[in-house]
Amino acid sequence: EPEVTQTPSHQVTQMGQEVILRCVPISNHLYFYWYRQILGQKVEFLVSFYNNEISEKSEIFDDQFSVERPDGSNFTLKIRSTKLEDSAMYFCASSDRVAHTEAFFGQGTRLTVV
Amino acid sequence: AQTVTQSQPEMSVQEAETVTLSCTYDTSENNYYLFWYKQPPSRQMILVIRQEAYKQQNATENRFSVNFQKAAKSFSLKISDSQLGDTAMYFCAFISTQGGSEKLVFGKGTKLTVNP
Repeated sequence: EPEVTQTPSHQVTQMGQEVILRCVPISNHLYFYWYRQILGQKVEFLVSFYNNEISEKSEIFDDQFSVERPDGSNFTLKIRSTKLEDSAMYFCASSDRVAHTEAFFGQGTRLTVV
Repeated sequence: AQTVTQSQPEMSVQEAETVTLSCTYDTSENNYYLFWYKQPPSRQMILVIRQEAYKQQNATENRFSVNFQKAAKSFSLKISDSQLGDTAMYFCAFISTQGGSEKLVFGKGTKLTVNP
């Protein structure tokens, strides 16, 4: 069964450092998303991406965040200068249509900022 | 703005029994989708079941079924014959099919424990 793959599973970084979280969406999917879940809280939307550009972003997704699809298979989330409050579980998701009724989530990357 | 409310932070059920998790939502739109996601201790998000708002028939997936009450904006999940592997966080989620929004809006979750 096709699946969304995220690496690394756990990333520890120092405050102020840049991190890149990686995702390999399902191969025939065209819509990509990042969500985050701060420990014990609900899952929050960060950004959606289609046709090589951001289609929607939340207020959380400020200038410190960026997304990229560098090679047609990977989908990355970069945080330029991490803050303690960026510590969270980050989920990548992909779907093959708008309103992602068939969204599939990756297993998540746990980011810990120290 | 759409909101999703799960009023039960935690629930428990005995193995083999039935449990119902509650979810209400708020939207002014007529066309949308509703989902239940399961998040086991591994923290992966797994789609359990989905419901399309224009379909009156309640969705069913094996032991999982929903009670979708559109007028009341209620979307509860019933788990029959509960199994130990059903122990997880359960999130109710909403997505609009209008206005171009593509984001899932999640509730805060219900932690379900199935006891042996």
